[in-house]
Amino acid sequence: GAVVSQHPSRVICKSGTSVKIECRSLDFQATTMFWYRQFPKQSLMLMATSNEGSKATYEQGVEKDKFLINHASLTLSTLTVTSAHPEDSSFYICSALPRDTQYFGPGTRLTVL
Amino acid sequence: AQTVTQSQPEMSVQEAETVTLSCTYDTSESDYYLFWYKQPPSRQMILVIRQEAYKQQNATENRFSVNFQKAAKSFSLKISDSQLGDAAMYFCAYRSIISNFGNEKLTFGTGTRLTIIP
Repeated sequence: GAVVSQHPSRVICKSGTSVKIECRSLDFQATTMFWYRQFPKQSLMLMATSNEGSKATYEQGVEKDKFLINHASLTLSTLTVTSAHPEDSSFYICSALPRDTQYFGPGTRLTVL
Repeated sequence: AQTVTQSQPEMSVQEAETVTLSCTYDTSESDYYLFWYKQPPSRQMILVIRQEAYKQQNATENRFSVNFQKAAKSFSLKISDSQLGDAAMYFCAYRSIISNFGNEKLTFGTGTRLTIIP
């Protein structure tokens, strides 16, 4: 149990375009999901906490207008990187919280050309 | 604010041997959760083991066990009979036991890269 999927696994886009990443809890309902960013050989950096039916809470330094989060249902949260630039290239990971433990999706590698 | 420290950036162990990864943390809370996650080359974060601070008994999951020293704020991971598939980045993480919005996020350490020598 506690399976989290993420789609797409890889995406390459041109600078200035927007990219949407989906995070789904497959076998449980998650009122809370999290979005992380991970740079090579570094730990996970929390970007925002997403709660179903309410606005996401962003960590300090994360641009909410650039990284739009929508948690429209108990099994789906989306992260949209708007007007992506090469510096947004990174590995993005979501997680979901069925009870006390976070379970992670497989991640999305975003490359912005 | 809580902090988690992993002082060993890299560790290596011979296959079938035992290795211990260190983790210390700082908190003013009395109850909390501690976790070890592994991130293999696929980069999928996988839960290895979890410990509730109010439980005195150390958690065990097959070849993985922890040495939880609450007074010392130490939470080390022991891997017995190391296997090639154990090669990964291991992250220690802390979570408040309070389930109010905002307290559910994890505080991660910087990770320890474990190499298994055949």
